[in-house]
Amino acid sequence: QQPVQSPQAVILREGEDAVINCSSSKALYSVHWYRQKHGEAPVFLMILLKGGEQKGHEKISASFNEKKQQSSLYLTASQLSYSGTYFCGTESTTSYDKVIFGPGTSLSVIP
Amino acid sequence: NAGVTQTPKFQVLKTGQSMTLQCAQDMNHNSMYWYRQDPGMGLRLIYYSASEGTTDKGEVPNGYNVSRLNKREFSLRLESAAPSQTSVYFCASRNRGSSTDTQYFGPGTRLTVL
Repeated sequence: QQPVQSPQAVILREGEDAVINCSSSKALYSVHWYRQKHGEAPVFLMILLKGGEQKGHEKISASFNEKKQQSSLYLTASQLSYSGTYFCGTESTTSYDKVIFGPGTSLSVIP
Repeated sequence: NAGVTQTPKFQVLKTGQSMTLQCAQDMNHNSMYWYRQDPGMGLRLIYYSASEGTTDKGEVPNGYNVSRLNKREFSLRLESAAPSQTSVYFCASRNRGSSTDTQYFGPGTRLTVL
């Protein structure tokens, strides 16, 4: 079953922060985060695995709450280059390797 | 190291024609995937392969067949194309189970069925 993402869309000014949420009705083994710009292929950001901790770089990080079957992507001090559509993909503990993506969150960063 | 390659990049078919989309990866990944993305929509899983010799249905397998020819190659076949199959098709591969678990996408094949 497809994960749910929120919000559907967000507009930020440069330097502002954003949080994108992803939730599933199934017990999860992993959560994947991608960014896609118009006309291009999705680009890998990070994978969070069951039993792992919060991951990421200085300005883009993510958390994974296994009990709640939720993940959040944190974008700090946004830059114009952060604009795009963000997708979460989930892999359940009952269907290993089967990665299903959510509908996406459109993020626009304006000057 | 080319990553994930897909051929062709663009294709126009008439309803009822058949074709095979090719995908290859040179990263020695075990897992490979086919997704489709309709305009303004998300990625929907068509088929996936956890290892050479195995394939499994995804969310939208009807109208498609796949072959995991070897570890490197994973092809997607449309036997009788329909306008509803107009989409961008992405192949992906993943080194699942490794300490650097990552899923990489190919550049996509843009298919139009008239």
